[in-house]
Amino acid sequence: EIVMTQSPATLSVSPGERATLSCRASQSVSSNLAWYQQKPGQAPRLLIYGASTRATGIPARFSGSGSGTEFTLTISSLQSEDFAVYYCQQFNNWPPAVTFGGGTKVEIK
Amino acid sequence: EVQLAQSGAEVKKPGESLKISCKGSGYSFTSYWIGWVRQMPGKGLEWMGIIYPGDSDTRYSPSFQGQVTISADKSITTAYLQWSSLKASDTAMYYCAKITAAGSAWFDYWGQGTLVTVSS
Repeated sequence: EIVMTQSPATLSVSPGERATLSCRASQSVSSNLAWYQQKPGQAPRLLIYGASTRATGIPARFSGSGSGTEFTLTISSLQSEDFAVYYCQQFNNWPPAVTFGGGTKVEIK
Repeated sequence: EVQLAQSGAEVKKPGESLKISCKGSGYSFTSYWIGWVRQMPGKGLEWMGIIYPGDSDTRYSPSFQGQVTISADKSITTAYLQWSSLKASDTAMYYCAKITAAGSAWFDYWGQGTLVTVSS
């Protein structure tokens, strides 16, 4: 099973600043990587898929990069509504086996 | 509009059985895989398994194989997650989510979640 490791566990950022979140896979997942945002009491929301493609309706301040085993989610200028927990997710094979990372909580500094 | 409507919260005792549901609407239910995801209190997301309602092809995470059963009834566009004997450690929020398209495994639509509480 591919293990996804996210860092840091918690990121303290001031509104308007840039946030950079990392996700590492235990083996190559090519570009089969997505990012989700989850706010308290809500279901997760798909932000980025294919490592770098924004999902429908996702603001341009969210961007994803990377391939293979190292991935990054960047929020260019944090807005109040962006404080949440972010998860990466990979799949391999078809039908897919899926794993999520442990999450990064982005909190107000 | 794509919607996944999950059944309501459940409170059960250890050893009891349970089946929760996820009704899809607004899309071709039989053409897209649906997955189940567990979130224990204060913890992260865990993938449990997926099902293709078109032919009920089902795959499980190794962590959940033998612990739960995933099924679907395409005639009523509903997927299910069931337990034969609940444990306290099954207490969690359970989400169903639709996979975007064949060949990818991104979850683009999510149900609202079903909270399962197992306590004696």
